[in-house]
Amino acid sequence: GQQVMQIPQYQHVQEGEDFTTYCNSSTTLSNIQWYKQRPGGHPVFLIQLVKSGEVKKQKRLTFQFGEAKKNSSLHITATQTTDVGTYFCVSGGSYIPTFGRGTSLIVHP
Amino acid sequence: DADVTQTPRNRITKTGKRIMLECSQTKGHDRMYWYRQDPGLGLRLIYYSFDVKDINKGEISDGYSVSRQAQAKFSLSLESAIPNQTALYFCATSGTRLNEQFFGPGTRLTVL
Repeated sequence: GQQVMQIPQYQHVQEGEDFTTYCNSSTTLSNIQWYKQRPGGHPVFLIQLVKSGEVKKQKRLTFQFGEAKKNSSLHITATQTTDVGTYFCVSGGSYIPTFGRGTSLIVHP
Repeated sequence: DADVTQTPRNRITKTGKRIMLECSQTKGHDRMYWYRQDPGLGLRLIYYSFDVKDINKGEISDGYSVSRQAQAKFSLSLESAIPNQTALYFCATSGTRLNEQFFGPGTRLTVL
């Protein structure tokens, strides 16, 4: 799989603040997936981006795929305590996924 | 019932012991994966299988072996466990063109 670097490793926010995690690759990605893992849980698929410049929204979550298909971001607007968890970007070609190290989001009420 | 199950959920063992972690799925997927998760390192791929007769090494296969007994079953073995194999282990399946991964609940393994 294609290596992906994810930043930041941790992010503390006050409830209601916005949050963004970034995923970068030195090579062009065929696609990028995002997963969420709640504390004590397992990763759960959120979305896949395939097209250059693609933007997808899921309620307060906005996912972007860069024009060069080398970077992606996940933005959460007005965080809630239910957003707590670790968010992973995953590159995958030929059905062999490579996970980024994840960004752990901590939301303070 | 859960679509992807893992047994055991927790295991404490000693250095040198042989350990088998089992994964079963009812999703009818051909592709199955084993990962380990360590704090701050994300999930790293150990082995993967695209069908019963296909087994492939992942990023960190040393010290591990696998068996695909059937489409629904994929087992991970540690022939001689060592302390740095202490981790959370996840099994996952995939069966769509999207390759969305469906994870089991995980097995927490501690090697003393």
